[in-house]
Amino acid sequence: KQEVTQIPAALSVPEGENLVLNCSFTDSAIYNLQWFRQDPGKGLTSLLLIQSSQREQTSGRLNASLDKSSGRSTLYIAASQPGDSATYLCAVLDSSYKLIFGSGTRLLVRP
Amino acid sequence: DAGVIQSPRHEVTEMGQEVTLRCKPISGHDYLFWYRQTMMRGLELLIYFNNNVPIDDSGMPEDRFSAKMPNASFSTLKIQPSEPRDSAVYFCASSPAGTGTLFEQFFGPGTRLTVL
Repeated sequence: KQEVTQIPAALSVPEGENLVLNCSFTDSAIYNLQWFRQDPGKGLTSLLLIQSSQREQTSGRLNASLDKSSGRSTLYIAASQPGDSATYLCAVLDSSYKLIFGSGTRLLVRP
Repeated sequence: DAGVIQSPRHEVTEMGQEVTLRCKPISGHDYLFWYRQTMMRGLELLIYFNNNVPIDDSGMPEDRFSAKMPNASFSTLKIQPSEPRDSAVYFCASSPAGTGTLFEQFFGPGTRLTVL
């Protein structure tokens, strides 16, 4: 059974810092991995999708990497801003087209 | 496109009442998913449909929950009777036809359900 784990559960950093969020999964048979952002009381916003054959994807200050063989992904946020404060969720798409989510990392960027 | 539409956005009901949540997927999408999010269990897949047919309902917690998709543009998730432990945010998501590694789900804003 696929399990997705995110570390740390919560993170507080001063504005301007570069930071890394971690995601691990137990079964490497995935189609892709997605990173989502969720603001309090809001829905999910897709940030990046990495296909199983890819190593990384970039969008603006965000960079996500994927090492399928070791079951790991990282989300790198450069020059963090208070507006980046949110919960970040990692999810893997399994062979049945089911998204399996981690429990999220709650990020606070202090001004 | 307006994206995935869910209604109502908030629902407060009393234990024992029937609750119906509604979802309109993105036009042209063949897959529809229902998720539930709680503090304790995070985001869990309840059921998903492909071309209006339920494919996997193994996440539906018990017989009190049922979901239907009568046509390509509408789905309902019904809880009858509702219980306080059903309080959660329920998300609907849709996807275009399966394309392997490019398969991506688009989420609606969610319905926050409170059962008193």
